[in-house]
Amino acid sequence: DTEVTQTPKHLVMGMTNKKSLKCEQHMGHRAMYWYKQKAKKPPELMFVYSYEKLSINESVPSRFSPECPNSSLLNLHLHALQPEDSALYLCASSPDRVVNTIYFGEGSWLTVV
Amino acid sequence: GENVEQHPSTLSVQEGDSAVIKCTYSDSASNYFPWYKQELGKRPQLIIDIRSNVGEKKDQRIAVTLNKTAKHFSLHITETQPEDSAVYFCAATHNSGAGSYQLTFGKGTKLSVIP
Repeated sequence: DTEVTQTPKHLVMGMTNKKSLKCEQHMGHRAMYWYKQKAKKPPELMFVYSYEKLSINESVPSRFSPECPNSSLLNLHLHALQPEDSALYLCASSPDRVVNTIYFGEGSWLTVV
Repeated sequence: GENVEQHPSTLSVQEGDSAVIKCTYSDSASNYFPWYKQELGKRPQLIIDIRSNVGEKKDQRIAVTLNKTAKHFSLHITETQPEDSAVYFCAATHNSGAGSYQLTFGKGTKLSVIP
């Protein structure tokens, strides 16, 4: 089973709102990722958690705050977003941070109004 | 860091014909090359991958070739069907420091299979 589940599937939020995106995997993978994808573009890496520790932050603005409560869960807290942050947010996981297959979740479509 | 170039950006083929998408990479240390298919409104799905110790891999109608010397790899789809229509992304690993590797994606190829 290569299932990464994300909630919510769609989210509309105002620029002053605080919301969270959630991701879960039960494959025992030790690396989890957040990617952002704009229309007609490839996914862009935002954050990597390896063994529940933040290992990579690709210079993401502080209005995006990741959290990894345990090895199966990954959250992305959103606050004071801008309309240009509207995108598809993809969670992914892989067995560990060394070269290996990355599996994507269905994504959360975010619209900031 | 790694740079991945992907061509063409769009590709139209008649149903039943073959489609070829090509990618080049810059980091000679890259050693893992997956291909993802993304249908409209859906997630990228891994369709095939190849590691640097292998020159070719095939899975039914899909094959991938890797030329490490020239630093390029290609996706070949034979007997194309309308359901193959999607955006295809190639990717290559790169060393992101501290002993970890991350994927760099090409810009994508929009494949249209005309019935």
